[in-house]
Amino acid sequence: GESVGLHLPTLSVQEGDNSIINCAYSNSASDYFIWYKQESGKGPQFIIDIRSNMDKRQGQRVTVLLNKTVKHLSLQIAATQPGDSAVYFCAETRRTGNQFYFGTGTSLTVIP
Amino acid sequence: DAGVTQSPTHLIKTRGQQVTLRCSPKSGHDTVSWYQQALGQGPQFIFQYYEEEERQRGNFPDRFSGHQFPNYSSELNVNALLLGDSALYLCASRPDRLNTGELFFGEGSRLTVL
Repeated sequence: GESVGLHLPTLSVQEGDNSIINCAYSNSASDYFIWYKQESGKGPQFIIDIRSNMDKRQGQRVTVLLNKTVKHLSLQIAATQPGDSAVYFCAETRRTGNQFYFGTGTSLTVIP
Repeated sequence: DAGVTQSPTHLIKTRGQQVTLRCSPKSGHDTVSWYQQALGQGPQFIFQYYEEEERQRGNFPDRFSGHQFPNYSSELNVNALLLGDSALYLCASRPDRLNTGELFFGEGSRLTVL
């Protein structure tokens, strides 16, 4: 069943500030984690992924951190922009990588 | 290059009816997954199709069935609709050879059951 949860359902940040969205998971067998962004009326869009053999991965303005000891991952967005306003989901999978378990999402609002 | 396309975008059914939703994957993608997303929730995995076979299934009853065609397009069928089946149904595709978490989602089919 679902093993992924998010700490906060909503997050508001000022434009230009950095955003941090957190996610906890409970299954030790989880070995691959993905962050998705979903804008209103659209399907989820892949942001970045990380495998359990890594602690950190960076993309364009985004960084994902994985702490396997406490089963926690975070998504950091640098210099948040109005276009970053969306719901962010963390998802995880195990072994086969065919079934992804999504959390309930954090709604990010960027204040101009 | 068209992305994942789904039809219909919206539909309304009554309890007990049956519905068929359709999905065309992104060009070059041979693996199709279906997810159900209730309002305010994250997507929940229904099943995945590859080589015209159901490869993996989530915790959904047999009322939910699917099919994949030789051109990789897919259908999701739901029988004996319940009020609780009201949701956004998302189709996602990826190339199986990459075995990546980068799923490409369509914009979904919004089903309302009255």
